[in-house]
Amino acid sequence: KNQVEQSPQSLIILEGKNCTLQCNYTVSPFSNLRWYKQDTGRGPVSLTIMTFSENTKSNGRYTATLDADTKQSSLHITASQLSDSASYICVVSAHGSGGYQKVTFGTGTKLQVIP
Amino acid sequence: DGGITQSPKYLFRKEGQNVTLSCEQNLNHDAMYWYRQDPGQGLRLIYYSQIVNDFQKGDIAEGYSVSREKKESFPLTVTSAQKNPTAFYLCASSIFGEMNTEAFFGQGTRLTVV
Repeated sequence: KNQVEQSPQSLIILEGKNCTLQCNYTVSPFSNLRWYKQDTGRGPVSLTIMTFSENTKSNGRYTATLDADTKQSSLHITASQLSDSASYICVVSAHGSGGYQKVTFGTGTKLQVIP
Repeated sequence: DGGITQSPKYLFRKEGQNVTLSCEQNLNHDAMYWYRQDPGQGLRLIYYSQIVNDFQKGDIAEGYSVSREKKESFPLTVTSAQKNPTAFYLCASSIFGEMNTEAFFGQGTRLTVV
């Protein structure tokens, strides 16, 4: 069964500090991994997408890493801001038939940045 | 501007009533999806459609129905058969097959059964 596990479930950090969120998956056959940011009561917004051959990708202060051998990904946030307070969701896609991919969502890490 | 729009943002329904959630996109995406989000759980796929006039059941389709008469629109009906309909519903769209492209999400509809 395809699974995506994220840790920690929640995290509180001081503004300006760095943090790292973890994602472990058992999805197969792996196609790609994405990190989304979801503000409370709103839809998720894509931060990064990585395929099998990519092991790091940055988007501003967000840097995602992927280790396809150990099936782990991390999202590192640098110099956190109050606006980073949100849930961060790891999403892993597996190749499927007919061009459609089976997508498995993690339960998310709820990040709160405090002044 | 291009985007994906869900309406309404909040919806209240009495038990035993059907209700339809709207999802419209002007991104020219072929594929559209409906997900349900519950506290402490990852998004779960209800239905998806890869092309007009075709749609497939997702993991939790029971108690829901959809239609895809136009490329831009993918409405979701929550029927009275859905035993626990109170949830946050998200619609998404992507280029066909959601290959290595991202899915764009709407802002969601929070449905509460009273």
